[in-house]
Amino acid sequence: DIQMTQSPSSLSASVGDRVTITCRASRSISNYLNWYLQRPGEAPKLLIFAASALQSGVPSRFSGSGSGTEFSLTISSLQPEDFATYYCQQSYGTTVTFGQGTKVEV
Amino acid sequence: QVQLQESGPRLVKPSETLSLTCAISGGSISPFYWSWVRQPPGKGLEWIGYIRYSGTTTYNPSLESRLTISVDTSKNHFSLRLSSVTAADTAVYYCAKYSNSGFDNWGQGTLVTVSS
Repeated sequence: DIQMTQSPSSLSASVGDRVTITCRASRSISNYLNWYLQRPGEAPKLLIFAASALQSGVPSRFSGSGSGTEFSLTISSLQPEDFATYYCQQSYGTTVTFGQGTKVEV
Repeated sequence: QVQLQESGPRLVKPSETLSLTCAISGGSISPFYWSWVRQPPGKGLEWIGYIRYSGTTTYNPSLESRLTISVDTSKNHFSLRLSSVTAADTAVYYCAKYSNSGFDNWGQGTLVTVSS
């Protein structure tokens, strides 16, 4: 199985900050990497697919980059609704794995 | 926009079988993949498995021995059965539409508690 490791596990930030979250795969997954945001009590929401493609309707302050084993999600200017937990997920091959999550809090 | 809705018992006894159904509205079950994902209280997301509209399945190896995912194209829904449950299977269970581009539509989730 491909293991996904996110860092940090949590971070403190303020409105307007630039925030970057990293996701590392245990082996190369090309660009089969997706990012999600999950607010408390809600289902996850797809933000970025194929490492860097913005899902329809997602604000442009979210961006993704990387390929192979190293990926990142950047929020250019944190908004109040962005305080949430973020997950990466690989879809290389037939099985699926998620990172452990990164909680972005005040 | 496809909408998904999970349904099924919220309380299951240990050693019994957990059964959930996901109803799909606003779109057809074909030609897509459909998946189950769960989240234990306060923890992260765990992929359970997915099924193609044709019935082909792929399961999480850690759950495969207890797991059955099936699809009913005539009813536009798919289902999950997880046998021999324990307290460790207590979680919010989500159904979702899946492709290599990710899980792009999710149900609201349903909390299933395993307890006697």
